[in-house]
Amino acid sequence: EIVLTQSPGTLSLSPGERATLSCRASQSVTSSYLAWYQQKPGQAPRLLIYGASRRATGFPDRFSGSGSGTDFTLTINRLEPEDFAVYYCQQYGGSPFTFGQGTRLEIK
Amino acid sequence: EVQLLEAGGGLVQPGGSLRLSCAASEFTFSIYGMNWVRQAPGKGLEWVSSISGLGSTHYADSVKGRFTISRDNSKNNLYLQMNSLRAEDTAVYFCAKFGVGSNCNSFTCYGYFDWWGQGTLVTVSS
Repeated sequence: EIVLTQSPGTLSLSPGERATLSCRASQSVTSSYLAWYQQKPGQAPRLLIYGASRRATGFPDRFSGSGSGTDFTLTINRLEPEDFAVYYCQQYGGSPFTFGQGTRLEIK
Repeated sequence: EVQLLEAGGGLVQPGGSLRLSCAASEFTFSIYGMNWVRQAPGKGLEWVSSISGLGSTHYADSVKGRFTISRDNSKNNLYLQMNSLRAEDTAVYFCAKFGVGSNCNSFTCYGYFDWWGQGTLVTVSS
């Protein structure tokens, strides 16, 4: 089973700043099968990034994903108030699918 | 737009059973694999089970032998039969659809989850 470790656990930033979220895998992720999800309180997760760097429908280009192998990054430029949420990475290159523990992005 | 609507959650005693359902619409249900993912109160996401369009199934070790995933392609419904429930099964259960390019075989599945339902809460307590 691939263990995903996200850092930091909580990130406190102000609107307009840049957020950099990390996701590290315990072993190489097959074919960059790495996704990011955004979850707001009381809501279901929403697909944000898949294939490590492909942005899902509905998200602006302020959101970008990068990385390969065991190290992946989600970058959010020019933070907007609606971006403050919890972000999870997930590897989907074979079951059991695993998620990171999440990074909470909060308003400073 | 894809719609996924879970139902069947509730309060159940330890050792009891519950059957969740997920009604799908606005996509060709039979050709997509589906998943159940759960989230304990205040915790992160945990994959529970997957099923291909043709019915091959996969389970997390934590539920193997106790939970059964199934689907009825004629009714566009996904199910999760949960037996021998434990306190640690308490969570919101989401159904989620595999995205384009996903693939399931008898050994494993590959695919991200592109649409999620709003979830149904299962509470296991005496």
